[in-house]
Amino acid sequence: DAMVIQNPRYQVTQFGKPVTLSCSQTLNHNVMYWYQQKSSQAPKLLFHYYDKDFNNEADTPDNFQSRRPNTSFCFLDIRSPGLGDAAMYLCATSREARSTDTQYFGPGTRLTVL
Amino acid sequence: QKEVEQDPGPLSVPEGAIVSLNCTYSNSAFQYFMWYRQYSRKGPELLMYTYSSGNKEDGRFTAQVDKSSKYISLFIRDSQPSDSATYLCAMKRSGSGGYQKVTFGTGTKLQVIP
Repeated sequence: DAMVIQNPRYQVTQFGKPVTLSCSQTLNHNVMYWYQQKSSQAPKLLFHYYDKDFNNEADTPDNFQSRRPNTSFCFLDIRSPGLGDAAMYLCATSREARSTDTQYFGPGTRLTVL
Repeated sequence: QKEVEQDPGPLSVPEGAIVSLNCTYSNSAFQYFMWYRQYSRKGPELLMYTYSSGNKEDGRFTAQVDKSSKYISLFIRDSQPSDSATYLCAMKRSGSGGYQKVTFGTGTKLQVIP
């Protein structure tokens, strides 16, 4: 089945220790998004890639970086996780970036920072 | 004022009840309206997608949009325990560079009691 896959589903890291979250998709979509969702809060867009073009949200901290080596994969790097970065991280894709294009979400990676 | 307001609940209803979930918004630039269902510790799953004012029905689900009042609703008929989840409203408008910008509500937690 075509889908958005996130690995790992659960990640535990130590304060300040870099961590990488992975997202892959078999939908062959051009756009990939990373969202941060804290408990009982709305998903918050961090950035997105349209093909190889990176688009950062203005309020995304520099601590968060992303890489998209090819169409199928996108990574979220947190350089120095703080306690406030503990959250669910959601990857989503859409075929194009137009308003009519639906975003499809992966199952998420829940990050715990000790 | 938040762009999208959604009552977080929780909302508890008996099995078989009609459920009404609502969101209000302040930005008239929003053109597309979605409802996502999110089970605990999972990613959001698209339920309904609408554009114009009026009703859209899909099985037990009906999405209603009133652009003049800036108000959207999701109705669930014959609610089932398996409908127990958090329901997120989401709205799209064109962002910078023509990319779609999605704004989510905080979600309403629904519990359907057998």
